[in-house]
Amino acid sequence: DSGVTQTPKHLITATGQRVTLRCSPRSGDLSVYWYQQSLDQGLQFLIQYYNGEERAKGNILERFSAQQFPDLHSELNLSSLELGDSALYFCASSEGISYNEQFFGPGTRLTVL
Amino acid sequence: DQQVKQNSPSLSVQEGRISILNCDYTNSMFDYFLWYKKYPAEGPTFLISISSIKDKNEDGRFTVFLNKSAKHLSLHIVPSQPGDSAVYFCAASSPGSARQLTFGSGTQLTVLP
Repeated sequence: DSGVTQTPKHLITATGQRVTLRCSPRSGDLSVYWYQQSLDQGLQFLIQYYNGEERAKGNILERFSAQQFPDLHSELNLSSLELGDSALYFCASSEGISYNEQFFGPGTRLTVL
Repeated sequence: DQQVKQNSPSLSVQEGRISILNCDYTNSMFDYFLWYKKYPAEGPTFLISISSIKDKNEDGRFTVFLNKSAKHLSLHIVPSQPGDSAVYFCAASSPGSARQLTFGSGTQLTVLP
């Protein structure tokens, strides 16, 4: 158990809908990262937050957004969903802003029908 | 453009023998490399890492070797155990405030009893 929790575990929704994925980092970790793992793309970095502020953006679509709250939990919002958004979404946390080892949650499997 | 490549999608070895997983990278800015292990329905679990100032790091049965001139790293598992069967991801990060990870596509290791 990495100490990172993600909810929900599974999510099934329809095209055009909006969903919110939630992540609680390990106790004491200030950085939260979001990654997407799709069948043909592998694990891709989406976005990082540190202590409530956005720090880096990767291959994140404009339809996607995230935030980190004062209690350090983070939410990833996915809107206008398309079939291609079906994937595993992982959250990871690390101690500091530029700490190398990241600890991953169990992931949320999103299925868009 | 894949900056981190794992060219072998799968590897099978006999229990007790050595497993060698390989990883190549193209971005010379990468200065920290990590290996993660992933079981089905779980998030990646951090295994071992190496800084670019070293060429070897050992932790129990796991050793990572880095050849900077060849832009190549490998993970050796000795002796291999059936419980090691999992997908192994190589990841790299470069200096900067975010330290997001760039992952390879993974290698499925199967250790046969």
